[in-house]
Amino acid sequence: AQSVTQLGSHVSVSEGALVLLRCNYSSSVPPYLFWYVQYPNQGLQLLLKYTTGATLVKGINGFEAEFKKSETSFHLTKPSAHMSDAAEYFCAVSEIGGFKTIFGAGTRLFVKA
Amino acid sequence: GAGVSQSPSNKVTEKGKDVELRCDPISGHTALYWYRQSLGQGLEFLIYFQGNSAPDKSGLPSDRFSAERTGGSVSTLTIQRTQQEDSAVYLCASSLGTGQTYEQYFGPGTRLTVT
Repeated sequence: AQSVTQLGSHVSVSEGALVLLRCNYSSSVPPYLFWYVQYPNQGLQLLLKYTTGATLVKGINGFEAEFKKSETSFHLTKPSAHMSDAAEYFCAVSEIGGFKTIFGAGTRLFVKA
Repeated sequence: GAGVSQSPSNKVTEKGKDVELRCDPISGHTALYWYRQSLGQGLEFLIYFQGNSAPDKSGLPSDRFSAERTGGSVSTLTIQRTQQEDSAVYLCASSLGTGQTYEQYFGPGTRLTVT
């Protein structure tokens, strides 16, 4: 069965600092991987996704993630945090050809001035 | 075009009452999903509709929960005899179709509070 683990329910960084949100998954087959962001009182918005090909994926707002099969990880990074990045971030996994997407519990990112 | 819309945005109901939550997907999207987001929890899959196929109801937590999708468009999630543990944000999403390269577009959610 597929599962997603996000390490750290809360992460706090200073403005301008590196953002690193961790995600590990388990899947018996090669997965599709996603990061979504949820701003307060809004629905989820896709940040980026990995399907096939290049393992380093670039998304919106300067975020990127790297699929590491050997580590079963898909960590999200951004070189320099901005106050507007404060939100909740969800990692998700689905099987190729499947429809059900399994979401992690989410990591709330706080950005300090 | 318009995104996914949900109504109402907030619903407060008394324990034991029935509630209906509505989702209007993006026009042309054949797949529609319902999720539940409880405080501090991830998204819990509830049900999935794809075109005219029978829905996958495997995520519905009890027989008090049901959903329908009329004409392959608007969907209604019904919770009968609501309980306090049903309090959560209910999110609807739609996508172009099957296959997980299709991005899911989420609505803003309905916040349900059962008193």
